[in-house]
Amino acid sequence: DQQVKQNSPSLSVQEGRISILNCDYTNSMFDYFLWYKKYPAEGPTFLISISSIKDKNEDGRFTVFLNKSAKHLSLHIVPSQPGDSAVYFCAAIDNAGGTSYGKLTFGQGTILTVHP
Amino acid sequence: NAGVMQNPRHLVRRRGQEARLRCSPMKGHSHVYWYRQLPEEGLKFMVYLQKENIIDESGMPKERFSAEFPKEGPSILRIQQVVRGDSAAYFCASSPRTHTVATEAFFGQGTRLTVV
Repeated sequence: DQQVKQNSPSLSVQEGRISILNCDYTNSMFDYFLWYKKYPAEGPTFLISISSIKDKNEDGRFTVFLNKSAKHLSLHIVPSQPGDSAVYFCAAIDNAGGTSYGKLTFGQGTILTVHP
Repeated sequence: NAGVMQNPRHLVRRRGQEARLRCSPMKGHSHVYWYRQLPEEGLKFMVYLQKENIIDESGMPKERFSAEFPKEGPSILRIQQVVRGDSAAYFCASSPRTHTVATEAFFGQGTRLTVV
């Protein structure tokens, strides 16, 4: 059962434009969300995160939006750059058990291609 | 994420052989997580370990797979009698002793296991 879903396998964007990557989740116990970027033959690299008590978090060109009622989050990259071309994974943590550790549930990933 | 070291980077095993994957966490990190990425899928949690303890192995297949994180040395993910379906990229992540949900785990570059 896929608790975190990224329904768009790929996204193509022109340099300088906005990239919007989407992620949906089904487990209402998830209370912390993260986005990772992954290049081929490398491990995922943390990008940005958001707690369920917030609806927006911004870090430079990257902004994550969380809509809890819709169980939906999105990553906005603006302006997009060719170096942003990579696979982007959203991930979620259920900390309701109070264990406070980083067991992540990942989506399938979206391949972003930014054209010069 | 260069601080988390995984080796080997690539491992080829014949069906029925054993595979040993190693993960050295970042300095000062005592929490290790193993994830598996099958082709065209996201990363799936396998096991969470602290030094000399398995905390959560809910994602580990019931047979042939085991993991350890000894007091000294790297964490080891061991797969006995490998089958073709074990072919995947295996990622290790580490986080610090004072890890909380707000602390992001750092991933290694992964070991790509190919079973022939």
